[in-house]
Parts: sequence; C-alpha cells; structure tokens
Amino acid sequence: SYDLTQPPSVSVSPGQTASITCSGDKLGDKDSCWYQQKPGQSPVLVIYQDTMRPSGIPERFSGSKSGNTATLTISGTQAMDEADYYCQAWDTNTGVFGTGTKVTVL
Amino acid sequence: EVQLVQSGAEVKKPGESLKISCKGSGYIFSNYWIGWVRQMPGKGLEWMGIIYPGDSDARYSPSFQGQVTFSVDKSIRTAYLQWSGLKASDTAMYYCARPSATFDAFDIWGQGTMVTVSS
Repeated sequence: SYDLTQPPSVSVSPGQTASITCSGDKLGDKDSCWYQQKPGQSPVLVIYQDTMRPSGIPERFSGSKSGNTATLTISGTQAMDEADYYCQAWDTNTGVFGTGTKVTVL
Repeated sequence: EVQLVQSGAEVKKPGESLKISCKGSGYIFSNYWIGWVRQMPGKGLEWMGIIYPGDSDARYSPSFQGQVTFSVDKSIRTAYLQWSGLKASDTAMYYCARPSATFDAFDIWGQGTMVTVSS
C-alpha cells in the first residue's frame, strides 16, 4: 500500500512559521493537497495541486514540493491555526491521506 | 450554495446492517464524484473510496474492498455507504466529500455521520 508520512506534531509560537512535511514514494510525480481539521469539525481544503490556495484560505498558508516531499507552511501562525493537518495524494486511482500532524500554537 | 448533508448518528449492534446517506445540493449531482472517508475515534483520516453518480462507477481503497458498499440514487441526489454486518471496529465518524471539477482534491465536505457499534 502507498504511505504518506508526516511528523506527529509541530509546535510553533504565535507569529512564527510552522512547516509540516509529507513524504511518500514518487510523491514528486503526483499532485498533493492539504486539509486542516479542527476538533469536532469536518476537514477543510487549504492547499491543492501542491501550491494552490482555494478561495477564502488566508495567504499565510502556502504549499511547496521538493523531490518526494511536500511541505505546508503557515507563516505568521495564529492561535486559530491550531489544528490537525493532513496531506493527501492519489495512487492508482485511489486516494491516500498522510498520517496527520497536530499543530500546537504555544 | 453547494453542500453535502449527511444522515444522523447511528448506534448499532455487531452483525447488524446499516446504510448512511449523503445528499448533495447546489450543483449537478451526477457530474461529480463522491468520496467516503473514515475517521476512527482519536485517529486520522482514511480514504475509503469514491463513486461516480453518473454511472455508479465505484473505486474502493484496498483496505475497504469487500467490507463496505457504495451506491447512489441520482433521482434524489443521494450517495450511500452500506455495511452488511457491522463490527465494533467500524465505530467511527464517516464523511462524504466532493472533489472539485478542476482538481483532484475534496473541496466540499459533509458534516459527518457518527456510527457506533456496540453490544
């Protein structure tokens, strides 16, 4: 099965930059996206096609990819950004989610 | 407004069958895939599979193949997720979601249906 690996947790101070990585075999050849999920809520798409931001998502969220690692960056992190974040990609006509990263704003 | 509205929480016993629903509105239902995602208590998101309402073409993640069944009723704009014999390990929140027309990511999500299986 195809696996996407994320760090379990990331801590960041308010106003600082948080970076979350997502690694997978041949991820460089696939489109990746990122979802934010706050407690008790449905996930929300924050990045698609590696770097694109849906309308309504703040500019402080950005995506990039280098080799087989995709990265979600939150610049100027705010308390409201505290949440779980999941990357996702496609493999042979099915999707796969990453293991998830809990972002804590200290 | 484009939205997906899911059926309410369910409490079932092991071995029972169940069908939960996801109703789309605000868009041409037949033209967009619908995906299903499982989230077990305190755990991450798991891709279950997707179904195309236009022709009921369904694709299952290997982990869920044979364990659940996807179906749709285009006439009432509703997708379904079904079990024939629930297990305690099926206890989870289940989300339906719709990918965008222009990129392969879920930009619309339902509110989730909590399924509890307990004797």
